[in-house]
Amino acid sequence: QQQVKQSPQSLIVQKGGISIINCAYENTAFDYFPWYQQFPGKGPALLIAIRPDVSEKKEGRFTISFNKSAKQFSLHIMDSQPGDSATYFCAASNVNRDDKIIFGKGTRLHILP
Amino acid sequence: EPEVTQTPSHQVTQMGQEVILRCVPISNHLYFYWYRQILGQKVEFLVSFYNNEISEKSEIFDDQFSVERPDGSNFTLKIRSTKLEDSAMYFCASRRRGNLNTEAFFGQGTRLTVV
Repeated sequence: QQQVKQSPQSLIVQKGGISIINCAYENTAFDYFPWYQQFPGKGPALLIAIRPDVSEKKEGRFTISFNKSAKQFSLHIMDSQPGDSATYFCAASNVNRDDKIIFGKGTRLHILP
Repeated sequence: EPEVTQTPSHQVTQMGQEVILRCVPISNHLYFYWYRQILGQKVEFLVSFYNNEISEKSEIFDDQFSVERPDGSNFTLKIRSTKLEDSAMYFCASRRRGNLNTEAFFGQGTRLTVV
């Protein structure tokens, strides 16, 4: 019940295209859903996050769509660029309990130039 | 911009040896975490630490592991007798407190190689 399931495992997108990564969770106590971006040899860096009281959050080219009833959320990267090539992790946490962050398995995204 | 710093960046150790991984969390943060990431795999929670004690630990965090905040700035992870399967990237993270300060900041990691 603590798992966050992420797909696809890897994704190749043409420059300028839309990259979409999906995640699903079971624990309804989760109340914070961040996405992390990780470049090789670096730590995960927060990209964008959402709370379950909204269905969408947009920051620049990055958008989280959140479906509370389906317990699913996704990351959309518009106008994908080669610099977006990285591993992306969805995650979840119960911040009201100051809880740990549970990570998905990651998606390795490669943007073709 | 404040950041979580970890040392060393790379540690090579013989199997059975003790290692200490060091982290300096962001100064006004109250929650501290260690995670590990085996090459190419997901980031796994090890332990959380608050108010000078462990608040939660995973099943990975067995008796070989310990954490300490020896002074007001450092947060350390000790592995008493390293095994080959402990080879991984170890990330320290810190968070301020409460549901209005939700972001956890991660360090750059320590790559531990056990030979």
